[in-house]
Amino acid sequence: DAGVIQSPRHEVTEMGQEVTLRCKPISGHNSLFWYRQTMMRGLELLIYFNNNVPIDDSGMPEDRFSAKMPNASFSTLKIQPSEPRDSAVYFCASSVRLAGDHEQYFGPGTRLTVT
Amino acid sequence: GQQLNQSPQSMFIQEGEDVSMNCTSSSIFNTWLWYKQDPGEGPVLLIALYKAGELTSNGRLTAQFGITRKDSFLNISASIPSDVGIYFCAGRRQGGSEKLVFGKGTKLTVNP
Repeated sequence: DAGVIQSPRHEVTEMGQEVTLRCKPISGHNSLFWYRQTMMRGLELLIYFNNNVPIDDSGMPEDRFSAKMPNASFSTLKIQPSEPRDSAVYFCASSVRLAGDHEQYFGPGTRLTVT
Repeated sequence: GQQLNQSPQSMFIQEGEDVSMNCTSSSIFNTWLWYKQDPGEGPVLLIALYKAGELTSNGRLTAQFGITRKDSFLNISASIPSDVGIYFCAGRRQGGSEKLVFGKGTKLTVNP
């Protein structure tokens, strides 16, 4: 089975530009998580969805960040306008929400560089 | 946000040696997960633990859910060069949502 798919794998953009990161969760998984990883702060949860509904967006750093999940097989994380401090690796993860099971499976990540 | 206390931060060992790392928290956790991350890739789930005292193995890897429910341990026996990478612990708090809290990782280097 295919794992979590993310695109693009690398993104280089100039400050002020809009950036859109994409994620396709594992088929049959009903929870989706967006994380950001930096050397300084490690892995941080930005937002997560359950059954396409945003449940917790308390980790979204600012209004410049937004995320959508229009259907069970696709999610986007958008940064507009981007800033150099947004440079990081962004991961998408998915899981099946079952009682007692909280195993999250990660995609390969998108490495974002904002100059 | 809150992170788990993971130690050591890094380890340099010889091939064939055993490795031990751990995570601690001030909060009680209901779930402990251990991941490995290779350069340029996403974290890969190694072991999941759901009960206090639980001891689970995956090949040469063994992880334990601490009986206090505030810690977890990962052991790697007879290390090999491909064990190189960063190992992360993650936990879900008691009464919490699906959110996981992550440690900052243990970077493992194995010298052939």
